[in-house]
Amino acid sequence: DTAVSQTPKYLVTQMGNDKSIKCEQNLGHDTMYWYKQDSKKFLKIMFSYNNKELIINETVPNRFSPKSPDKAHLNLHINSLELGDSAVYFCASSQDGYNSPLHFGNGTRLTVT
Amino acid sequence: DQQVKQNSPSLSVQEGRISILNCDYTNSMFDYFLWYKKYPAEGPTFLISISSIKDKNEDGRFTVFLNKSAKHLSLHIVPSQPGDSAVYFCAASVLGYQKVTFGTGTKLQVIP
Repeated sequence: DTAVSQTPKYLVTQMGNDKSIKCEQNLGHDTMYWYKQDSKKFLKIMFSYNNKELIINETVPNRFSPKSPDKAHLNLHINSLELGDSAVYFCASSQDGYNSPLHFGNGTRLTVT
Repeated sequence: DQQVKQNSPSLSVQEGRISILNCDYTNSMFDYFLWYKKYPAEGPTFLISISSIKDKNEDGRFTVFLNKSAKHLSLHIVPSQPGDSAVYFCAASVLGYQKVTFGTGTKLQVIP
């Protein structure tokens, strides 16, 4: 049974479109995250949510909007996609968000053409 | 500003030998460090961690060493196995804060 699952695995779309990536965890964790890995392989945090409450919002453009309907789900919606948004997006969860290890999904490779 | 650095993008080691992966950090506030392992097309998986009150933590074939004065940590894998071939990420955080800062990774290849 997959602990952190995200869909879709691949997403190819054109500039200007709006797209969403979904994430679900069945570990009972309180905290969920979105990370972005760019072409230089930097893995950077974008957002974290603890029990549906936004905790971290790292200088991410307003076009990116996370939504957490419940603590097991954290979706990422991206408006007006740009070429520079092409990256691999990883969802992750952790027990309590304070130094407990992160459990990552397998990533969504977004390609904007 | 890259606060966690892994200066070796890749490393090749013979099976059975020791693999040593290095990591440097610049933020003296970091007091909790982790290593993650990543296979292609998968997410990173947690390997081992160490807090700044220790200088060594061991888990089976994996040992992490922390040198606070040098702001340096290393991961030792002994003996190395072909299945250890992956990208290894060093990560750091401040205890009590959620933000984890990752290095850019070192690709380890263990040659049979």
